[in-house]
Amino acid sequence: GENVEQHPSTLSVQEGDSAVIKCTYSDSASNYFPWYKQELGKGPQLIIDIRSNVGEKKDQRIAVTLNKTAKHFSLHITETQPEDSAVYFCAAKSQGGSEKLVFGKGTKLTVNP
Amino acid sequence: NAGVTQTPKFRVLKTGQSMTLLCAQDMNHEYMYWYRQDPGMGLRLIHYSVGEGTTAKGEVPDGYNVSRLKKQNFLLGLESAAPSQTSVYFCASSYSQGAGNQPQHFGDGTRLSIL
Repeated sequence: GENVEQHPSTLSVQEGDSAVIKCTYSDSASNYFPWYKQELGKGPQLIIDIRSNVGEKKDQRIAVTLNKTAKHFSLHITETQPEDSAVYFCAAKSQGGSEKLVFGKGTKLTVNP
Repeated sequence: NAGVTQTPKFRVLKTGQSMTLLCAQDMNHEYMYWYRQDPGMGLRLIHYSVGEGTTAKGEVPDGYNVSRLKKQNFLLGLESAAPSQTSVYFCASSYSQGAGNQPQHFGDGTRLSIL
């Protein structure tokens, strides 16, 4: 089955710097890669997703890149702000009828003012 | 819209007790999911449902049962609670994947402690 590895587990940056979180997946049939942000005491919220037919997607300060050959995808946050502090999860979903998302173990991002 | 609503938000049980967690969604989503979240483990799928009256096992189904009698509701049951089931439980829902990959929308969780 699918396995998703996420790095780093914790990341601390200064306000205004960029943050990058990386994930690798094992199933070459995976075709959907969402990223979720989870604030303390809340459920995960989708912030961006990418499908396997594109290599990059951007939404304001957030971008995701996908390298299908290397089976890895990354989240990039530019001009970080204190409100970006949260736990971020990547996930992958395989083709073939399975409706299951497999999640990474999360990255706790802290943006220091 | 309320989105995905989970009840209760907190619960403490004794070992061997039973309980049911309720998830309700008002987005007319076909698919619903139950996850558990443990420190350092991310989110792991317990059971899921692709439509009313259907359920399927996820990654960690043992010790749990589910039912989807109505499209908008997905119930997670613990028949005999064990300390290993202490966790935060999240419900999610999504549109059918038939039209392409659809994002899952999560509730705010149920924090369950088994003593």
